[in-house]
Amino acid sequence: RKEVEQDPGPFNVPEGATVAFNCTYSNSASQSFFWYRQDCRKEPKLLMSVYSSGNEDGRFTAQLNRASQYISLLIRDSKLSDSATYLCVVNPKASGSARQLTFGSGTQLTVLP
Amino acid sequence: DGGITQSPKYLFRKEGQNVTLSCEQNLNHDAMYWYRQDPGQGLRLIYYSQIVNDFQKGDIAEGYSVSREKKESFPLTVTSAQKNPTAFYLCASSLIQRAADGYTFGSGTRLTVV
Repeated sequence: RKEVEQDPGPFNVPEGATVAFNCTYSNSASQSFFWYRQDCRKEPKLLMSVYSSGNEDGRFTAQLNRASQYISLLIRDSKLSDSATYLCVVNPKASGSARQLTFGSGTQLTVLP
Repeated sequence: DGGITQSPKYLFRKEGQNVTLSCEQNLNHDAMYWYRQDPGQGLRLIYYSQIVNDFQKGDIAEGYSVSREKKESFPLTVTSAQKNPTAFYLCASSLIQRAADGYTFGSGTRLTVV
């Protein structure tokens, strides 16, 4: 079983749609969780950290379910500029050591006009 | 502005040749990392370093070597022992004590064997 699993997609949605991505992780001791965005042929960029209580940043909402080892990302009112690959990222270690983030393979999103 | 600089952006390697990818950061980050990304796949860790003059193997270290002589610099050498080196190579850095910050990535080096 992969350490971090994501539905690869692709997700093709119209502008203005709401889309949700899911991710599961295998290490129950994982400490930190992130969503990264990667544009075609570019480096990944941090979209948002994911906190136990859930967190929101504008149109983006991230949720964590430790019991089910499940992370989600919800994008509301999709824009053309949201088209990218979204990477689910998990850190199995606490602060104080070099973090070896484990990356999912990504979910590809295309927002259509 | 602080950031990570990778060079070159594109690199072509002949069979049997060693090549070195540069990674420099001015973020005063403690830890640095090298990842490899193949098309349609996730990032795989090659090497990482927490402090100067110390580094650890990641999941796919065979055929690669690194050094960390300065805090700011973490070059990666792709040796001739790496049989399938064509990939997108990403360098990243982080503050060890700031778990919620994630990594900062450089813009990557695209290596092709010719």
